Amino acid sequence: GDSVTQMEGPVTLSEEAFLTINCTYTATGYPSLFWYVQYPGEGLQLLLKATKADDKGSNKGFEATYRKETTSFHLEKGSVQVSDSAVYFCALYYGGSQGNLIFGKGTKLSVKP
Amino acid sequence: DAGVIQSPRHEVTEMGQEVTLRCKPISGHNSLFWYRQTMMRGLELLIYFNNNVPIDDSGMPEDRFSAKMPNASFSTLKIQPSEPRDSAVYFCASSPTPGTRGGAGELFFGEGSRLTVL
Repeated sequence: GDSVTQMEGPVTLSEEAFLTINCTYTATGYPSLFWYVQYPGEGLQLLLKATKADDKGSNKGFEATYRKETTSFHLEKGSVQVSDSAVYFCALYYGGSQGNLIFGKGTKLSVKP
Repeated sequence: DAGVIQSPRHEVTEMGQEVTLRCKPISGHNSLFWYRQTMMRGLELLIYFNNNVPIDDSGMPEDRFSAKMPNASFSTLKIQPSEPRDSAVYFCASSPTPGTRGGAGELFFGEGSRLTVL
């Protein structure tokens, strides 16, 4: 079945460092891909999304490109801030009902000043 | 606009007690989801409703768990009797019909209810 695999954390970076969090997926069709972010003590919120191959989602300085050839949707940010410390979830929606959303296990990011 | 509202934010109870968690989805959203989050198992979908009707409850751990959605603005998740292994953060999320006010796969989460069963 469809699935999402993301790099295990935790990831610890210094402020202004470059961030990459890897995400790969397995899907039989053409899913939509998402990154959700969970700040400490809060629920998840949508960070960015891409609905078709070669689409780039971006928000708050974060970017991810839907790569069909490598079945990947890696999250990147050029210069992280302490406020980016959170858990990041890659997710895949494979169509049909809204329940068909699969989350990865999450990657915890800690940014040190 | 008000987001998804969950109550209580924190609940501490003793094993064997009944626990009821409550959720008010965003007005106009037609799908509602209950998730459980633990360190060991990550984020698990327990059940979801579409237009107040349960669509998939395959994630509900066992008969001790039950969920209802009596109307479009309210849902409950009940655990009876509770056990220590039920300790987790329980999230409610809602989403609109795809193509209306949001895209497919876009969920709006509440802040969660942290349950501790002693």
